[in-house]
Amino acid sequence: GQQLNQSPQSMFIQEGEDVSMNCTSSSIFNTWLWYKQEPGEGPVLLIALYKAGELTSNGRLTAQFGITRKDSFLNISASIPSDVGIYFCAGQLRRGGADGLTFGKGTHLIIQP
Amino acid sequence: NAGVTQTPKFQVLKTGQSMTLQCAQDMNHNSMYWYRQDPGMGLRLIYYSASEGTTDKGEVPNGYNVSRLNKREFSLRLESAAPSQTSVYFCASSEAPVLPQHFGDGTRLSIL
Repeated sequence: GQQLNQSPQSMFIQEGEDVSMNCTSSSIFNTWLWYKQEPGEGPVLLIALYKAGELTSNGRLTAQFGITRKDSFLNISASIPSDVGIYFCAGQLRRGGADGLTFGKGTHLIIQP
Repeated sequence: NAGVTQTPKFQVLKTGQSMTLQCAQDMNHNSMYWYRQDPGMGLRLIYYSASEGTTDKGEVPNGYNVSRLNKREFSLRLESAAPSQTSVYFCASSEAPVLPQHFGDGTRLSIL
């Protein structure tokens, strides 16, 4: 199956620092999504990207859909304790396809006060 | 305002037992999905239903069956559970296939 390479695998940062993570693929994706998962819960959608080059913000979060359509990044500015969790990128291969999402393995974000 | 509801939240089975995981959504979404999540892995698609009356295999369908009972409900069945199926199972739905999916809180399944 398709694979998304998500990095870094984990991040240990100080409160107030900015965070950057990314996903790359050997395949072209038509949609990129970023989800956050907290312990015992399902993934929650943060940002959805539909066009190559698109840059979208959601509060302190900013994500971009790479021009090549093979990558995406997520930035979090001025991190706070509630940002702790696992962040997943997900891509959808076919526009309009109902074949679900391909997920990266996640980035564990740990914030030290 | 429940969104996607999964039952049960936890279950322990013995090898060879059968079980059905239930999922219901109250957002009037057309498409529904079942994923499994294993430690250190992202979610992997088991089966999906693009619309009521249709189901299709995902990346890891072996050992599972699904039923799209109606627009709201999509169940996942393990006919003869195996230890390799120990995982956290997530159900998701979306208004249309191209739109983002909303996830339930998962069913934690252990098979001994």
